[in-house]
Amino acid sequence: SQQGEEDPQALSIQEGENATMNCSYKTSINNLQWYRQNSGRGLVHLILIRSNEREKHSGRLRVTLDTSKKSSSLLITASRAADTASYFCATDGAGTASKLTFGTGTRLQVTL
Amino acid sequence: DAGVIQSPRHEVTEMGQEVTLRCKPISGHDYLFWYRQTMMRGLELLIYFNNNVPIDDSGMPEDRFSAKMPNASFSTLKIQPSEPRDSAVYFCASSLAGLAGGLYFGPGTRLLVL
Repeated sequence: SQQGEEDPQALSIQEGENATMNCSYKTSINNLQWYRQNSGRGLVHLILIRSNEREKHSGRLRVTLDTSKKSSSLLITASRAADTASYFCATDGAGTASKLTFGTGTRLQVTL
Repeated sequence: DAGVIQSPRHEVTEMGQEVTLRCKPISGHDYLFWYRQTMMRGLELLIYFNNNVPIDDSGMPEDRFSAKMPNASFSTLKIQPSEPRDSAVYFCASSLAGLAGGLYFGPGTRLLVL
């Protein structure tokens, strides 16, 4: 069963706009990670945030984590057409060492 | 580094046939994961290994599925006999020292069972 649920399922924006994707999960976690998947390709790790962190940045990516609400968000600023992909959150549940469970994904379309 | 290598990239087979998927993890990585991706069920962890030893195979759907890792540079996932519901994209991923650095995914094997 999937631990995380992404929202929205699909998002369409114009180049230059910001894209925000949300992830909710069900049980306590050690870490939460975000991955990108281009069509027909494998997943690529973007960023990891630990359960004791609230915010993390990497380039144009900003991730927040609210463990009280069991939710996380991924913000991509100044989006580009190359950001078009599916984005997944993945959780490393407490007590499930090295077992990463993926959410349902958000499909992002960035148009010119 | 060549990244995680999977073969074949595409496999079409008939129901009842044996299917073997292969994976070469990134050199030096000590964890290896097999995932399956379908539209209906998303990404599912099937099994993972640490230092070539299977740690958790609770995601393996049934006895028709088996996985081995005879050495640090090679793993197989076998389905025997295959069924149409096994059609999916199968990903192999590797990592160093658990999950802290993220998983490195291969390009996947797209399996179609007719």
